[in-house]
Amino acid sequence: KNQVEQSPQSLIILEGKNCTLQCNYTVSPFSNLRWYKQDTGRGPVSLTIMTFSENTKSNGRYTATLDADTKQSSLHITASQLSDSASYICVVSSRSGYALNFGKGTSLLVTP
Amino acid sequence: GAVVSQHPSWVICKSGTSVKIECRSLDFQATTMFWYRQFPKKSLMLMATSNEGSKATYEQGVEKDKFLINHASLTLSTLTVTSAHPEDSSFYICSALEVLADNEQFFGPGTRLTVL
Repeated sequence: KNQVEQSPQSLIILEGKNCTLQCNYTVSPFSNLRWYKQDTGRGPVSLTIMTFSENTKSNGRYTATLDADTKQSSLHITASQLSDSASYICVVSSRSGYALNFGKGTSLLVTP
Repeated sequence: GAVVSQHPSWVICKSGTSVKIECRSLDFQATTMFWYRQFPKKSLMLMATSNEGSKATYEQGVEKDKFLINHASLTLSTLTVTSAHPEDSSFYICSALEVLADNEQFFGPGTRLTVL
């Protein structure tokens, strides 16, 4: 069964600090992994996408890593801002079909 | 990037009425769109796959007579919640498949449905 597990479930950090979110998956055959940011009451917005051969991908203060061997990914947020407060969702695609496998998300709160 | 819109962004209706939600791909054509439902602090749950010019494919446990999907054009899919009840209250999100962007799904901003 294709599964995507994220940790921690929630996180509170001070503005300006860094943090790292984790994602483990069992999706097979693997196609790609995306990290999304979802603000409350809004749709998900893509941050990064990585395929099997990519180990790291950056988008501004967001850096995602992928270890396809251990089936793990992380999202590192540098110098956090209040606007980073949101849910961060790890989504893994399989090469069989268009279906997306969603993690439950990590709820991040950045406080002043 | 590709833009997907939804209308309305929120709606409140009385129990027993029907509500239509629109999903539009603004700058690309999408033969395939998806409808998701999301409960508070939960992940997105796929309800159905909307195919332009053909019948939608529903996920197990989703009533097709309850959630009517029409994908009449390459840029518009609609979800109609028929005879809505309070338990249908949820956040509904659509996505559109952009073939020219490696089949990435671009998500709409969501529609908050509250049934009184």
